[in-house]
Amino acid sequence: AQSVTQLGSHVSVSEGALVLLRCNYSSSVPPYLFWYVQYPNQGLQLLLKYTSAATLVKGINGFEAEFKKSETSFHLTKPSAHMSDAAEYFCAVAISASKIIFGSGTRLSIRP
Amino acid sequence: AAGVIQSPRHLIKEKRETATLKCYPIPRHDTVYWYQQGPGQDPQFLISFYEKMQSDKGSIPDRFSAQQFSDYHSELNMSSLELGDSALYFCASSSGPGTSGSAYEQYFGPGTRLTVT
Repeated sequence: AQSVTQLGSHVSVSEGALVLLRCNYSSSVPPYLFWYVQYPNQGLQLLLKYTSAATLVKGINGFEAEFKKSETSFHLTKPSAHMSDAAEYFCAVAISASKIIFGSGTRLSIRP
Repeated sequence: AAGVIQSPRHLIKEKRETATLKCYPIPRHDTVYWYQQGPGQDPQFLISFYEKMQSDKGSIPDRFSAQQFSDYHSELNMSSLELGDSALYFCASSSGPGTSGSAYEQYFGPGTRLTVT
């Protein structure tokens, strides 16, 4: 069965520092992977997606993620954190054409 | 660009009452999905519809039902509400569960916060 595991329920970085949010997937077939961001009291916004076209995926707000099959990982990174990046981030995998399974989420806090 | 619209945004009901949540997908999207997100939890898939037919089913209680109408909007009906039904309910839409990558890209609405007292 396909699934994703997010390592670290809470990550705190200083403003301007590198952001690294970890996600590992489990899949017997090439997966469709996503990162979503959720700001407080808001819906989920798609940051980026991997659909096997390119291993390095660039998303919105300066985020990017690299698909590494050998490590079964799809970590989310941003070179320089901004205060506005504080939110909950969900890694997700499409287990069918009509169902997405989310990871447990990582709360990102930004220290001034 | 037009987004997914959900109504109402907030809803307060008492135990054993019924609730109806509505979702209007992005124009030209023919697939809708419903998710439930409890406090501090990740979104859990409930059910999806493609071209007005149920396409997949997740952990949706028997007390809940949903349908998609000819204009592609969808309604989630919840009966005999329980305290544990208090959650954020998200609707998402996409351009179809086909084999293209874009079909897997779901766009989420702002959610309906249901509080059962």
